[in-house]
Formats: sequence, C-alpha cells, structure tokens
Amino acid sequence: ELKVEQNPLFLSMQEGKNYTIYCNYSTTSDRLYWYRQDPGKSLESLFVLLSNGAVKQEGRLMASLDTKARLSTLHITAAVHDLSATYFCAVDTGRRALTFGSGTRLQVQP
Amino acid sequence: EAGVTQSPTHLIKTRGQQATLRCSPISGHTSVYWYQQALGLGLQFLLWYDEGEERNRGNFPPRFSGRQFPNYSSELNVNALELEDSALYLCASSLDQGSYGYTFGSGTRLTVV
Repeated sequence: ELKVEQNPLFLSMQEGKNYTIYCNYSTTSDRLYWYRQDPGKSLESLFVLLSNGAVKQEGRLMASLDTKARLSTLHITAAVHDLSATYFCAVDTGRRALTFGSGTRLQVQP
Repeated sequence: EAGVTQSPTHLIKTRGQQATLRCSPISGHTSVYWYQQALGLGLQFLLWYDEGEERNRGNFPPRFSGRQFPNYSSELNVNALELEDSALYLCASSLDQGSYGYTFGSGTRLTVV
C-alpha cells in the first residue's frame, strides 16, 4: 500500500522567510502533484511533476521531484501572507488513483 | 472555459437515506474522478469513470456507487447513509492520464444527521 508522508504538518512562518515542505512516498511513481486548499474550498492545482529531476516554479513556489529518493519538495521563497493555506502532495498510484499526503497547513505571519 | 462543476453545494441527509451528488467535467475531459475528504481521514480516492465505464475503485463499500453519462457528467450515489459519510466530496476531471493534472470542482459538503 502506498504511503505518502508530508512534513511538517503545520508550519508557522514570518513573511519574507524561506521554507521547504517535504513529501516522501513509499513506492515507485513518477507522477506527483501539488495542490493548495484554502479553508472550505476545493483543491487548486499548483504543479504537475512527471519525471525524475523535474523542477517547476511559479512565483514564490518551486517544486521538485526525485523519483530515486521518492521525495518531492515544495520550496517557499520570501513568504507572503497570501500563501497561507494547506498544501497537499499527491502521488499517482497507477490506474488514475491519487494518494494524498496529510497536508501541510502553512500560516504566514506578518 | 468553465471548470468542473458540482451540485449541490451542500446536502443534509438523515442516516439511512440515499444521497446523489452530481459533477460536470471540463469540456473535452472524458474522465471523472470522485474523492472523499473526511475530517481526520484526509483525501481518499473513491471512483474513476471513463467513457461511461467504472475503471477503478478505492477502498469503499459497495453502497458508494456512481455512473457516467454519455455527455461525461457523473453522479455519485451513497446508499444507506452513515454518520461517518459526512464529508466534502470532490469531483475531478482530466484530459488524459494526468499529464496535465487533475482539475477539481468546488465540492459537495454532505452532512448526515
């Protein structure tokens, strides 16, 4: 059974600081997705990572995938309050079923 | 381009009743997926429909079922509702096997009382 572990589960950081969220998974997969969820809202797609070494950046967020280490990272640069949300990584187990991590609740303090 | 649309937004049902949730995928997407986001259990895969057929099913009892219509919209039916079925049900659609990602709808909040 595929396990997807995110850490930290909760992150409180100050505006302007950098931090990284980690996503480890337990079985081979080369498809990993990052989503953002605001309270009471749906999932917003952030990144689609489809191969080993994939790196994607959008604004202050950058995601990478290392399939050999079974690790993806979501790096936040110079955080701003608008980035406060819960971030999920999800791994494709095959047959189109995503297994999600528990989520990282990010709180950016002014 | 319209996104994935779900209805109703909220649904309150009594234990033992049946609930029907609806989803319309993005135009051109033939695959529809259902996920459950329950408090304490996280996001769990429920079902995948493609071209009118159920292609994959998560670890849920048979009282969770659904169908996909010729226009690719989908229904999720939950029979014999239990209190633990209270959750946010999210529908997603994709163009192919996820190379462009999976786009989620805004969800249906089901409350079983």
